[in-house]
Amino acid sequence: KQEVTQIPAALSVPEGENLVLNCSFTDSAIYNLQWFRQDPGKGLTSLLLIQSSQREQTSGRLNASLDKSSGRSTLYIAASQPGDSATYLCAVDGSSNTGKLIFGQGTTLQVKP
Amino acid sequence: NAGVTQTPKFRVLKTGQSMTLLCAQDMNHEYMYWYRQDPGMGLRLIHYSVGEGTTAKGEVPDGYNVSRLKKQNFLLGLESAAPSQTSVYFCASSSSGTRIYEQYFGPGTRLTVT
Repeated sequence: KQEVTQIPAALSVPEGENLVLNCSFTDSAIYNLQWFRQDPGKGLTSLLLIQSSQREQTSGRLNASLDKSSGRSTLYIAASQPGDSATYLCAVDGSSNTGKLIFGQGTTLQVKP
Repeated sequence: NAGVTQTPKFRVLKTGQSMTLLCAQDMNHEYMYWYRQDPGMGLRLIHYSVGEGTTAKGEVPDGYNVSRLKKQNFLLGLESAAPSQTSVYFCASSSSGTRIYEQYFGPGTRLTVT
């Protein structure tokens, strides 16, 4: 059974710092991995999706990498800002044709001014 | 484009009552999903649909029923609510055309069962 783990559960950094969020999964047979952002009391916003054939994806200050063989993904946030404060969730799609996602429990990030 | 919308945003039920949560998407997506989010448990898939008229069970389907009579709508029903169903419910949709299934989420429904 696929399990997704995110460490740490919470992280607090000063503004301007570069940071890395970690996601690990137990079954390397995945089709894609998606990173989401969730603000308190809100829904999930898709940040990046990495297909199984890709090694990384970039969007602005965000860079996500994928290493299927080791069952790991990282989300790199450059020059963090207070507006980046949120919970970040990773999810893997291990299905053949349904897109069902298995989620980690998230990392709650606080960026202090 | 409204994306994915959910109705209602909040609801309080008494044990044993029934209700239906409505999810609507205007992106012409084939696939739709219902998740619940609980503290310490993350998001878990309840039911999903790969097209109009089809539904399938996810990880935690017990106590819920779903229907997909129209492509743009996915309904989640609770026939006899229990306190264990107190949660935040999220609907999502994705396109199947490219086999990428990037999911787009609604704002959620916060349900409390007393």
